[in-house]
Amino acid sequence: DAGITQSPRHKVTETGTPVTLRCHQTENHRYMYWYRQDPGHGLRLIHYSYGVKDTDKGEVSDGYSVSRSKTEDFLLTLESATSSQTSVYFCAISARDSPLHFGNGTRLTVT
Amino acid sequence: AQTVTQSQPEMSVQEAETVTLSCTYDTSENNYYLFWYKQPPSRQMILVIRQEAYKQQNATENRFSVNFQKAAKSFSLKISDSQLGDTAMYFCAFTIPGNTPLVFGKGTRLSVIA
Repeated sequence: DAGITQSPRHKVTETGTPVTLRCHQTENHRYMYWYRQDPGHGLRLIHYSYGVKDTDKGEVSDGYSVSRSKTEDFLLTLESATSSQTSVYFCAISARDSPLHFGNGTRLTVT
Repeated sequence: AQTVTQSQPEMSVQEAETVTLSCTYDTSENNYYLFWYKQPPSRQMILVIRQEAYKQQNATENRFSVNFQKAAKSFSLKISDSQLGDTAMYFCAFTIPGNTPLVFGKGTRLSVIA
């Protein structure tokens, strides 16, 4: 594995509650990404980061925010979870112009 | 904006046979990278193969090879001597140099049958 850990692995939460997913890497890679995976949609980009405190929005960023205060950590926050945010969330890392390496994913269920 | 299309939502193949998964993409860029990722039931995303657009030679990795047709914007994956462990979702993905985020197709679910 490429030294990338996502936590938690599974989470069930109620509509309207805040949720934070964590991605931690030990590779010192500059680039980090958050994707969500839903049946029939493949993987869609939520947010990404190209350095500490440097982030940008992806295709499906509404309802999500991110923070990267250290190279090794990239946090994804759902300020007020909705049922439409039930999904599997993947973090990925990469060095410059190198393939992405993925974490094992977080399955989030919003009831 | 770049798009990636996988037109086969599901496929099946007999063990030891060969199967080809299709992928087309749309871009106005001349230099880019293409990838195939495999996602077995464990949910892990595994890089299968990578192709640089400036290379005319098709990439190969053991039983996996691609047919890269730049003019047709086609990037198919051929799996030879299929094994039960090849059962997985397969995603085609595209990016341009400079760590622009990967754009993924919707995936093809491949079942290898004994």
